[in-house]
Amino acid sequence: GAGVSQSPRYKVAKRGQDVALRCDPISGHVSLFWYQQALGQGPEFLTYFQNEAQLDKSGLPSDRFFAERPEGSVSTLKIQRTQQEDSAVYLCASSSLTDQPQHFGDGTRLSIL
Amino acid sequence: AQRVTQPEKLLSVFKGAPVELKCNYSYSGSPELFWYVQYSRQRLQLLLRHISRESIKGFTADLNKGETSFHLKKPFAQEEDSAMYYCALSYSSASKIIFGSGTRLSIRP
Repeated sequence: GAGVSQSPRYKVAKRGQDVALRCDPISGHVSLFWYQQALGQGPEFLTYFQNEAQLDKSGLPSDRFFAERPEGSVSTLKIQRTQQEDSAVYLCASSSLTDQPQHFGDGTRLSIL
Repeated sequence: AQRVTQPEKLLSVFKGAPVELKCNYSYSGSPELFWYVQYSRQRLQLLLRHISRESIKGFTADLNKGETSFHLKKPFAQEEDSAMYYCALSYSSASKIIFGSGTRLSIRP
């Protein structure tokens, strides 16, 4: 396909609302990563999947953040009871297992009012 | 703790001048080092990785384990090099990446 696809591109939500961000990785890529990029900062790791297994969630900032990849392809990052500090660009990346670099999507810009 | 430091938030040079974007890292093992670039209105993309030891768009970067540095260099800057550059490290190509805070490179005509 054309690469990693993320939707929506922009999301505005009121504080306290739940949001869901979607990532479609490159077909055949078994590894999928989520990153959070605050304004003026580099991306920071959130969580990692290998196929449907979530192997590393050490970067999730709180239990309000939840990610899933039930069929080993599309992934959803859910944020419950959003707060203003959740405002950021959320990046998804995918890679194959065979020593290939990560390919990034365009990101979802989340704004919490 | 693993960390990547890019000391310059903004670097502005004239077209045709040499460019060096600094990057230092702290890591207890043998990391893989990368430079990622983000051009205006485009997605983050890999520029080069130290294990490839290749030159991309005229850029090179040498891993100096003694100084724990991975500076990005180009002898003659071009206007199309203007972008945001991120230095990053990883345990391997298939694991999480730790990014620096980025340097915005601006090439003046």
